[in-house]
Amino acid sequence: DQQVKQNSPSLSVQEGRISILNCDYTNSMFDYFLWYKKYPAEGPTFLISISSIKDKNEDGRFTVFLNKSAKHLSLHIVPSQPGDSAVYFCAASGGSGNTGKLIFGQGTTLQVKP
Amino acid sequence: NAGVTQTPKFRVLKTGQSMTLLCAQDMNHEYMYWYRQDPGMGLRLIHYSVGEGTTAKGEVPDGYNVSRLKKQNFLLGLESAAPSQTSVYFCASSWTDYGYTFGSGTRLTVV
Repeated sequence: DQQVKQNSPSLSVQEGRISILNCDYTNSMFDYFLWYKKYPAEGPTFLISISSIKDKNEDGRFTVFLNKSAKHLSLHIVPSQPGDSAVYFCAASGGSGNTGKLIFGQGTTLQVKP
Repeated sequence: NAGVTQTPKFRVLKTGQSMTLLCAQDMNHEYMYWYRQDPGMGLRLIHYSVGEGTTAKGEVPDGYNVSRLKKQNFLLGLESAAPSQTSVYFCASSWTDYGYTFGSGTRLTVV
């Protein structure tokens, strides 16, 4: 049972436009959500996070939105740049027995075209 | 500051062979994790540790064993490799919850 789902395997966007990456989760006990970015031949690196007590968190060009009632979060990148081309993983944590463990989605490959 | 170091970076094994993947972190993190990444499956947790001398099973532990004899090291063992274990393996560490630091990965092929 996939608790964190990224239903779009890939996304292609023109440079300068907005990229929107989506993520859905099923476990209502999750209370912290993160986005990681991964380049080929490298490990994932932390990008941005949001606590369940918030509905938005912004860091420069990156904004994460959380809709708890819909169990949905999204990552907005504005404006998109070619260097943003990578695989993006959303992850969630929280709930009893889940100490320190992150549950990851399948990943979305973003391609930003110059 | 090295962060999280994984060795080896690449390995090819024959079915039935054994090997150990080493993860070392120099950040004094309590928690350490082993994940595997497969196409369309994302990152799946194999085993994890919440402190020296402790280990616990993750989502996909079968066929793997781990040990955390020292706080800075987390070893992942394959006793009898199978082609289904062909994957990219990532180690990560963290203080408590969240904020993982990942290693650069080990690409393992079992033929």
